[in-house]
Order: sequence, then structure tokens, then C-alpha cells
Amino acid sequence: GAGVSQSPSNKVTEKGKDVELRCDPISGHTALYWYRQSLGQGLEFLIYFQGNSAPDKSGLPSDRFSAERTGGSVSTLTIQRTQQEDSAVYLCASSERQAPLVYGYTFGSGTRLTVV
Amino acid sequence: QQPVQSPQAVILREGEDAVINCSSSKALYSVHWYRQKHGEAPVFLMILLKGGEQKGHEKISASFNEKKQQSSLYLTASQLSYSGTYFCGLLGETSGSRLTFGEGTQLTVNP
Repeated sequence: GAGVSQSPSNKVTEKGKDVELRCDPISGHTALYWYRQSLGQGLEFLIYFQGNSAPDKSGLPSDRFSAERTGGSVSTLTIQRTQQEDSAVYLCASSERQAPLVYGYTFGSGTRLTVV
Repeated sequence: QQPVQSPQAVILREGEDAVINCSSSKALYSVHWYRQKHGEAPVFLMILLKGGEQKGHEKISASFNEKKQQSSLYLTASQLSYSGTYFCGLLGETSGSRLTFGEGTQLTVNP
């Protein structure tokens, strides 16, 4: 696609419920990243996928968080048993295949998750 | 380790200049700069690579001092459209393509 697409754009969920957030990267971008941004804060790394390599999960805050990327394209971030502190904007980005990176990320518009 | 950005916030009048700094305690391969307007996604501005020279376009430029592990973003003759939060993203030499972002610098340009 022309840009990174994320859905839903907004999600309100009850504490304890599971949620799935979706990211559709730019076609041809083999690297995909998930970041979290709490209100007024910076970008906190969660996980990244690079081609067929094992994902770097080092930023996932707890085992309630998981992500997968199917067919090297669409990615789903799943949060189980959501807590109020999970409320944030979840941003997905993609980039061309380069390691180390010499091109910028293209970010999606994010999913605003509110846990009530 | 998360890079340190300074200042945290700056308010300018249109036409004034600003400098935003970003520093790291780790050896760096490259520095990225992004701007995020309120309620929008961050947008890539530029990248500075180890061994590269100062880069920029129009009135926004940046430098990268590898020895000091610092980068600075220069905004000259600021315009209203420059308002937003600026983030530096750092890539270490063993980070693959994963960026570590600073807390951001909120820039407000007033008429």
C-alpha cells in the first residue's frame, strides 16, 4: 500500500479483556516495528521483525504481550488480560530491508488503546 | 539506554532559531530525526550516518558528532509549520535496524 495502515484507530476495552491490533506495512518493506507511546511520552520499543529472522522481542513489557507477522507482511500485536497501564497509542512502522538501517521508518497513524 | 534530548520544550516566535540536542552513552552508527504533530504519526526528517557530513534541507539541518555521541538539530528562521515534538532515534552498532528514541522536544512556534 501507499503507507502503513493500522486498525482499529481507536479501541476501548474493559480491563481483563484481550485485544488485537493490526498493522499492514508498506509493500516491499521487510522490517516491521511496534512502538508504544503513552500520553506525552516518547516512543517505547516493543518488538521488531526483519524478514524471516526471529523477531527481536526484547521490548515487550510482559508475557501478556505477543506479536506475530504472517507471510512477511501483516502483523498483529496481541495484549492479553489488558490492564489500565496498557492504555497508550500503539504505533507500527516499517522500513526497507537494511541492517544497519540507512533509511527512515514510515509510521502508521497508530491505534489508541484505552483500558477502562 | 535511552538517548537524552534537550531542551524538553522550547517556545519560539516565527523567524527565530532553535537547536535541539540528543546525546547517548553508547557508540552510535546513525542518528534519525523525526517530527510528530499533535495527534499524528511521527514523520521522518533525516538520517545522519557515522562518517557522514551534516545534512539538511531547507532551513532544518543536523549534525552528528561521533566522538561525543551527540547529534544536534538546527531549525533556522522557524515557521509556524515547524511546531511539533521532535524525536531523535539512535541506532547502535549492534542494534540491527531497531531505533531507540529519546523523550522528545516539544517545539512551539508562535506568530
